[in-house]
Amino acid sequence: AQRVTQPEKLLSVFKGAPVELKCNYSYSGSPELFWYVQYSRQRLQLLLRHISRESIKGFTADLNKGETSFHLKKPFAQEEDSAMYYCALTGLSGTYKYIFGTGTRLKVLA
Amino acid sequence: SAVISQKPSRDICQRGTSLTIQCQVDSQVTMMFWYRQQPGQSLTLIATANQGSEATYESGFVIDKFPISRPNLTFSTLTVSNMSPEDSSIYLCSVTATNEKLFFGSGTQLSVL
Repeated sequence: AQRVTQPEKLLSVFKGAPVELKCNYSYSGSPELFWYVQYSRQRLQLLLRHISRESIKGFTADLNKGETSFHLKKPFAQEEDSAMYYCALTGLSGTYKYIFGTGTRLKVLA
Repeated sequence: SAVISQKPSRDICQRGTSLTIQCQVDSQVTMMFWYRQQPGQSLTLIATANQGSEATYESGFVIDKFPISRPNLTFSTLTVSNMSPEDSSIYLCSVTATNEKLFFGSGTQLSVL
């Protein structure tokens, strides 16, 4: 079954510390993986996608097909990174259907 | 990018009534979706809104409970029918154009008493 797992509901780190938000997936095919972010009182928005291989706001994520993971990383957390982060998967026969993880709330402490 | 206007932003409804949520996009989009996000849970796809035809529902969701319309490429409605407290949730409209990136509306927070 297709599934996205985010094992941590809440992750608290101090400002300047490294951050890693975990995401594992289960998918029988070639998935496309995304990270979406929701800041307080804002709508859900795309942070990055694996095919772009880009860094957004200092965040990166590498698709590891062997470990079926797509962890989100940032070397130095900032207070404005505090938000809800969702890992998502698509690639379902071109239907553009997305499967979302349960989300991880990141709190960056001063 | 697509700008999505979703309304109402929130509502409190009585058990047994129905609520229609509107989603308006500022440009023509390929796909429109309706998601539900229950407290503490992930986003669950309710259905894909198809222009000019019946929506495609996911397992566990039926047209009688969640009728959906999409009369054109920029507008869709989701109705939550015969509501019960279990329907209390955030309902999200989302769209994608040709690059498969999803854009989301601001959501409708529904509380059913």
